[in-house]
Amino acid sequence: DAGVIQSPRHEVTEMGQEVTLRCKPISGHDYLFWYRQTMMRGLELLIYFNNNVPIDDSGMPEDRFSAKMPNASFSTLKIQPSEPRDSAVYFCASSSRGLAGRYEQYFGPGTRLTVT
Amino acid sequence: SQKIEQNSEALNIQEGKTATLTCNYTNYSPAYLQWYRQDPGRGPVFLLLIRENEKEKRKERLKVTFDTTLKQSLFHITASQPADSATYLCAFSSNTGKLIFGQGTTLQVKP
Repeated sequence: DAGVIQSPRHEVTEMGQEVTLRCKPISGHDYLFWYRQTMMRGLELLIYFNNNVPIDDSGMPEDRFSAKMPNASFSTLKIQPSEPRDSAVYFCASSSRGLAGRYEQYFGPGTRLTVT
Repeated sequence: SQKIEQNSEALNIQEGKTATLTCNYTNYSPAYLQWYRQDPGRGPVFLLLIRENEKEKRKERLKVTFDTTLKQSLFHITASQPADSATYLCAFSSNTGKLIFGQGTTLQVKP
């Protein structure tokens, strides 16, 4: 398996522009997570899905952020309009409950977003 | 509110020594916790999982303990090597699949 795939790996955009981050989870995993990581706040959970349904979006900072999972193999995180404070590394991760209820998560390589 | 604390200061040790990292939590009763390793420019990688009814778990040179009375987990790397240098994250969860991560502790192993 190729692991969790994220695109783009780097994104530089101007304030006010729309940004779309993409994620392909590991085949067979039924959980998908979006995180944001900064030096100041560490790794923050933004939203997670189970079987393509959003379960908890309490970490989404504000209405400018939205996430979708139209099918089991694809998810997007959209920021519209983007602001400089959105600059961070965004990670997608996937997991499954497994036989022992383990829920270990597999992370993608991340998208480094810079908003100028 | 739920809180997870890891030592924010970097841990510097000499090669061959045992590294011990600490993870404390408050206002939470996790079903299990996990430890991850993160290298610069990469996503976290799962290392070990321990359940609330387990006291200790081992994997090669790694050992994790879980004390629900102290609300603390300790992560040990024995016979540390420069290649063990990285940031280590602890994460707690109930049985929902959702993880709450600590800030991470950076370990530097010097030859």
